[in-house]
Amino acid sequence: AQKVTQAQTEISVVEKEDVTLDCVYETRDTTYYLFWYKQPPSGELVFLIRRNSFDEQNEISGRYSWNFQKSTSSFNFTITASQVVDSAVYFCALSEDGGQGAQKLVFGQGTRLTINP
Amino acid sequence: DSGVTQTPKHLITATGQRVTLRCSPRSGDLSVYWYQQSLDQGLQFLIQYYNGEERAKGNILERFSAQQFPDLHSELNLSSLELGDSALYFCASSGQGSTKIGDGYTFGSGTRLTVV
Repeated sequence: AQKVTQAQTEISVVEKEDVTLDCVYETRDTTYYLFWYKQPPSGELVFLIRRNSFDEQNEISGRYSWNFQKSTSSFNFTITASQVVDSAVYFCALSEDGGQGAQKLVFGQGTRLTINP
Repeated sequence: DSGVTQTPKHLITATGQRVTLRCSPRSGDLSVYWYQQSLDQGLQFLIQYYNGEERAKGNILERFSAQQFPDLHSELNLSSLELGDSALYFCASSGQGSTKIGDGYTFGSGTRLTVV
């Protein structure tokens, strides 16, 4: 069965510090997708990134960057120069394809990130 | 606005009651997914429908059922409610007309259910 582990339950940093959220996954599929979602205090799930298993290029979007390493089954997320508005719970997720169109996302337990002013 | 609409946003009901949560997927998406987010279980997949047919089932209780209608909106029915059913229920849609995995899942803003 597929599994996503976010070992860091809570992280607290001071504004402007860089912070990395870890994500380790387990899957037997050769084709899969990895996701990161942000859940701010308002509760909605905000899509951040999707990465397929064949693309190991790192991605940068503004202050956000993602490091995908198949060799270690990790998909880590770094926020550079953190801001108070980055405070949220962040979820890493792995897509599971059960065949015949059956799909689901397997989520990690989430990391609660608090950015202190 | 993500394009996925969930109603109601909040629901408070008593134990033993039955409620219906509604989801309208993003325009063009044929797949609808239901997830439950509780404090102790995290985000758990409940069920997936594709164009009216059930495609995948997760840890969905027998007291819970869902369906997807011809206009593609979906309803999640929760019956004989217990205190432990209190959670945030998310609907997501995907596919833009296909079932291609990884096409992207768009989540609604959720329905917060409180059972008292």
